[in-house]
Amino acid sequence: GAGVSQSPSNKVTEKGKDVELRCDPISGHTALYWYRQSLGQGLEFLIYFQGNSAPDKSGLPSDRFSAERTGGSVSTLTIQRTQQEDSAVYLCASSLDGRATDTQYFGPGTRLTVL
Amino acid sequence: QKEVEQDPGPLSVPEGAIVSLNCTYSNSAFQYFMWYRQYSRKGPELLMYTYSSGNKEDGRFTAQVDKSSKYISLFIRDSQPSDSATYLCAQGRGSARQLTFGSGTQLTVLP
Repeated sequence: GAGVSQSPSNKVTEKGKDVELRCDPISGHTALYWYRQSLGQGLEFLIYFQGNSAPDKSGLPSDRFSAERTGGSVSTLTIQRTQQEDSAVYLCASSLDGRATDTQYFGPGTRLTVL
Repeated sequence: QKEVEQDPGPLSVPEGAIVSLNCTYSNSAFQYFMWYRQYSRKGPELLMYTYSSGNKEDGRFTAQVDKSSKYISLFIRDSQPSDSATYLCAQGRGSARQLTFGSGTQLTVLP
């Protein structure tokens, strides 16, 4: 079946602009995660959605970052007033039930470059 | 101090060599230990998963966990050029759903 898809694959923007990144999880997966991978850094957790529960936003680095998940499926990560330090690969993952032992399946990522 | 430390490499070995990749972690709350493989311009994919101390083998890959010393390893036997990738260790805990990743080790297997 289809895996996790993300769009766009690459995004170049100017400092101060807003960007939206999209994630389509695997069909039937109730849990969805956003991570950020900066050069030379491991994946950094941003936000987690599980079903209809309130999202875990504990990893969002600032209030410029927000995310929503509509209808329990597609998710959008929005970065407002982008800064150069926001340049990174943004990875989305989904898992079946959101249990700690569930395998997280990753998408190919969106490579964001802020000029 | 980072919760998970991983030597970034790069590591370059000849085909057929045994590869040892390692991570150390500081948080005793971690209960689940994983290794992900990430090819260039791709998302990470789960390679190995374990939740107890000891060894777990899957083909050419062996994951080793030592909870007493907070040390995890991945061994690759008979390495192949197709194993060239970045290997990320990851830890999880029951109280939180997100994973904590190491920075990754870049491996190149030369033909």
